[in-house]
Amino acid sequence: GQNIDQPTEMTATEGAIVQINCTYQTSGFNGLFWYQQHAGEAPTFLSYNVLDGLEEKGRFSSFLSRSKGYSYLLLKELQMKDSASYLCAVSANDYKLSFGAGTTVTVRA
Amino acid sequence: EAQVTQNPRYLITVTGKKLTVTCSQNMNHEYMSWYRQDPGLGLRQIYYSMNVEVTDKGDVPEGYKVSRKEKRNFPLILESPSPNQTSLYFCASSPREGLLIGQYFGPGTRLTVT
Repeated sequence: GQNIDQPTEMTATEGAIVQINCTYQTSGFNGLFWYQQHAGEAPTFLSYNVLDGLEEKGRFSSFLSRSKGYSYLLLKELQMKDSASYLCAVSANDYKLSFGAGTTVTVRA
Repeated sequence: EAQVTQNPRYLITVTGKKLTVTCSQNMNHEYMSWYRQDPGLGLRQIYYSMNVEVTDKGDVPEGYKVSRKEKRNFPLILESPSPNQTSLYFCASSPREGLLIGQYFGPGTRLTVT
């Protein structure tokens, strides 16, 4: 599969901004995804990037640089409900989807 | 309601006893996939299917089989389960072109093999 790296854990304060980085190495590229997964629940789709640049969706934004094999997910105005695991995933040309191990974000009051 | 369903949600079994985990979606999606999730390893793709009668191996297919005889169903078969297959399993689906909008995941099946 692809080699996908993201930090294991991050902690931030309610109302703050957190940036979760993801680096990847892939043979072929068909898109990069971010998912959110609350403890004990299924992942839910957050964002998709296939071209370089920033995609904004409310409080969440995702950035992609294909030449650098780099993406980040930006969470603004953090809320307690944002405490979750955030999964970076890359789709290769064959439509396989490979996930990173996930970043657990803890939001503190 | 659009959804992906999996059964059973929890299963405890013994080594070597064949089992099937069912997955069904009601959204007429072409793409379906199975993942397992283990602590520290994240989600790993087992098999995926682009359409009826088309299946491909993911990153960890050993010890698993799948079939796609109908568009809505994508069962995962463990012919001879072993303890290293103890894991949390997720089924997911999306429109073929809508890998663009991400996948819809089922609620998960927690499997324990003793």
